[in-house]
Amino acid sequence: LAKTTQPISMDSYEGQEVNITCSHNNIATNDYITWYQQFPSQGPRFIIQGYKTKVTNEVASLFIPADRKSSTLSLPRVSLSDTAVYYCLVGRILTGGGNKLTFGTGTQLKVEL
Amino acid sequence: DTAVSQTPKYLVTQMGNDKSIKCEQNLGHDTMYWYKQDSKKFLKIMFSYNNKELIINETVPNRFSPKSPDKAHLNLHINSLELGDSAVYFCASSPSSGRYYNEQFFGPGTRLTVL
Repeated sequence: LAKTTQPISMDSYEGQEVNITCSHNNIATNDYITWYQQFPSQGPRFIIQGYKTKVTNEVASLFIPADRKSSTLSLPRVSLSDTAVYYCLVGRILTGGGNKLTFGTGTQLKVEL
Repeated sequence: DTAVSQTPKYLVTQMGNDKSIKCEQNLGHDTMYWYKQDSKKFLKIMFSYNNKELIINETVPNRFSPKSPDKAHLNLHINSLELGDSAVYFCASSPSSGRYYNEQFFGPGTRLTVL
């Protein structure tokens, strides 16, 4: 299983760009990298997913280097409402069905005025 | 029109009791999961069910048993509850596809407190 580690916490101010890096040294060839956001008293919510290079959607970008041993979630111009815990998830489809999934330790992002 | 729902939201019980948590999804997904989130916010997968068959059974005590009466439901039954079982339990679902890991949709969670 890929072991995933993240910084425990990060602080930022409104309007700044935030980059959260996840380390997954043992990532397997078929593993995808997915990031989730979790607010207090809610379930995690999907943000973005990628396999390699760069992926961008309306809320974030995901940068994955060629060796895929790490990934960086980039949140442009954060606001107070982006205060949450962010998890990276490394996972793949298994032969015969199902998934092999490893969540990172989570990064508490705090955005201030 | 809630996508993934869980009941109850809060569950407080005594050690040694047996309890169940229910989960339902109306997304038409083939795969459902149970996760445990401890007090340090670590998320760990416990089980997943695909088309009513158990696919992953992580190293959880056999006091925990998932039961899926149909594709839209995956209930979690816990026997002989222990203090260490106190946590937030999340149900999730995802569509199945040939090769790719798919986005999971999570329920709101059930906070279990064992006294």
